[in-house]
Amino acid sequence: DIQMTQSPSSLSASVGDRVTITCRASQSISSYLNWYQQKPGKAPKLLIYAASSLQSGVPSRFSGSGSGTDFTLTISSLQPEDFATYYCQQSYSRGITFGQGTRLEIK
Amino acid sequence: EVQLVESGGGLVQPGGSLRLSCAASGFTFSSYWMHWVRQAPGKGLVWVSRINSDGSSTSYADSVKGRFTISRDNAKNTLYLQMNSLRAEDTAVYYCARERGYSSGGYYYYGMDVWGQGTTVTVSS
Repeated sequence: DIQMTQSPSSLSASVGDRVTITCRASQSISSYLNWYQQKPGKAPKLLIYAASSLQSGVPSRFSGSGSGTDFTLTISSLQPEDFATYYCQQSYSRGITFGQGTRLEIK
Repeated sequence: EVQLVESGGGLVQPGGSLRLSCAASGFTFSSYWMHWVRQAPGKGLVWVSRINSDGSSTSYADSVKGRFTISRDNAKNTLYLQMNSLRAEDTAVYYCARERGYSSGGYYYYGMDVWGQGTTVTVSS
């Protein structure tokens, strides 16, 4: 299986900050990379698909970039509702895998 | 409203069986591939299984292969996960999710764009 490694595992930031989360694949996955947001007790929400395409209804402060093995999720100006856990997920191989998650906390 | 509602979770002894259901509404269920994803308490997301739109093709995570079976009934707009030989490590919230495909540059990308609220499975004696 393709291993997905996110960094950092946790992050403290303030409202208005610019935040970047990194995801690295153990082998090239082209652009087959999605990002999800999950709040406590809730189901995940798709934010970004195909590495850089914004899912309908997701605010434009979220953006994704990268291809091959290295990817980033950027939140340009943190809002109170953005404090959550973020997961990357590869859909390149038949065995889908997620990163371990990045918990974004209020500083 | 597009919606997925899971049911069937509960407490089961190690070695036991359970069948989860996921009722879909608000969209043409038979047109979509579907997934099961689980999340152990305090842990991250783990993909479990995927099924194509007519049920003829399935795939599984190595950790559940041979024990779990995904299926669907398009006439009933329902997705299933039959779980046998359950282990303590199968304890988790189980989510069903819809696969949404996107074509770009001749390639097919997909993400899970609609999720249920989850159903809890606890394997314990």
